[in-house]
Amino acid sequence: KAGVTQTPRYLIKTRGQQVTLSCSPISGHRSVSWYQQTPGQGLQFLFEYFSETQRNKGNFPGRFSGRQFSNSRSEMNVSTLELGDSALYLCASSLASRRGGQETQYFGPGTRLLVL
Amino acid sequence: AQSVAQPEDQVNVAEGNPLTVKCTYSVSGNPYLFWYVQYPNRGLQFLLKYITGDNLVKGSYGFEAEFNKSQTSFHLKKPSALVSDSALYFCAVRDYNAGNMLTFGGGTRLMVKP
Repeated sequence: KAGVTQTPRYLIKTRGQQVTLSCSPISGHRSVSWYQQTPGQGLQFLFEYFSETQRNKGNFPGRFSGRQFSNSRSEMNVSTLELGDSALYLCASSLASRRGGQETQYFGPGTRLLVL
Repeated sequence: AQSVAQPEDQVNVAEGNPLTVKCTYSVSGNPYLFWYVQYPNRGLQFLLKYITGDNLVKGSYGFEAEFNKSQTSFHLKKPSALVSDSALYFCAVRDYNAGNMLTFGGGTRLMVKP
């Protein structure tokens, strides 16, 4: 079974621009979560989508948004990029049929975003 | 609120020796605990998890972890380290009552020397 895929793998943007990252979950997984990884803040939860609905949200500004499509693929968007948005953005998928379930989250390789 | 602490930024061990990577957690409800490993320029790879039941959990690549409720710990162990185990290890917790969000520790870099 194919794993979680993320595109693009690398991205360079300038301040003020916006960016869209894409994630395709493991087949059959309906929950997609996004995390930001930086050297200073570590791994931080952005949001989770299930059945096209945002089910949980981390403590990030409104510039960070996401959506999920009917095929469970997800995108996240960051508008008005700041230097501090430079990070590795990780997507994870799981079966997670209900909140607080036991299912494991499986991670993709990430998209490395550099904001200049 | 849930939190995870990995008290060691780096652990050094000689190949063939046992290794331990420490993790303590704090949650308000029943914890689900996970260990992930990250190799350079890669995503997180799942190693093992504790949900309920036996306190000793066995996972991939010979790793195991022991859940200790009284000490709120979930240390990762391996009887005999390999050079290829050198990587960044993350402990994570999910509170049953807090949805599916994972809260991660800061990570521990494991260096296994030949």
